[in-house]
Amino acid sequence: EAQVTQNPRYLITVTGKKLTVTCSQNMNHEYMSWYRQDPGLGLRQIYYSMNVEVTDKGDVPEGYKVSRKEKRNFPLILESPSPNQTSLYFCASSLRDRGYEQYFGPGTRLTVT
Amino acid sequence: AQRVTQPEKLLSVFKGAPVELKCNYSYSGSPELFWYVQYSRQRLQLLLRHISRESIKGFTADLNKGETSFHLKKPFAQEEDSAMYYCALKYNFNKFYFGSGTKLNVKP
Repeated sequence: EAQVTQNPRYLITVTGKKLTVTCSQNMNHEYMSWYRQDPGLGLRQIYYSMNVEVTDKGDVPEGYKVSRKEKRNFPLILESPSPNQTSLYFCASSLRDRGYEQYFGPGTRLTVT
Repeated sequence: AQRVTQPEKLLSVFKGAPVELKCNYSYSGSPELFWYVQYSRQRLQLLLRHISRESIKGFTADLNKGETSFHLKKPFAQEEDSAMYYCALKYNFNKFYFGSGTKLNVKP
């Protein structure tokens, strides 16, 4: 089944403890993105990647890192999480030949205490 | 700066009534606009995009460059249309700007 998977789905952590949220897609999409969703703000793009080893900042990149070593994976790294990074995170992938239609993962709910 | 505004947080209509979800954008270039929908307990998914000029599930959206709008319309709402709707603007390769969303509630 063609899909985007994220792990973990739920995570509670403490301030300053490094964490990684994984994202994987099996559709051979070249584009991948990370978003955070907060009440009243909709989805805000954190980082995106146009292909392996090509990444760029979105609207809210501060406090996050990403890497794209393989086409299928696009992990989101929080080196030193803070409470203002408590949010619902979505990974998405898309293909230029399909008009950049984004396929979203199920979301990861992160709480930083 | 690019922006997408969805002025209504919540829109309630009765089944069979027309529905219009508003979306206004701000972008100096040539816009690519999308509507995404999230049904309860489902993933966010594409509903339609302005380039394809299609009708999906009875919904249509026309890009009005003069009014910088991309409103989503359906002549007769159904209960299964109840969901969260997001308008999105694509700019600069794969950068997306989403609106804050409108929750549509279709009452029986």
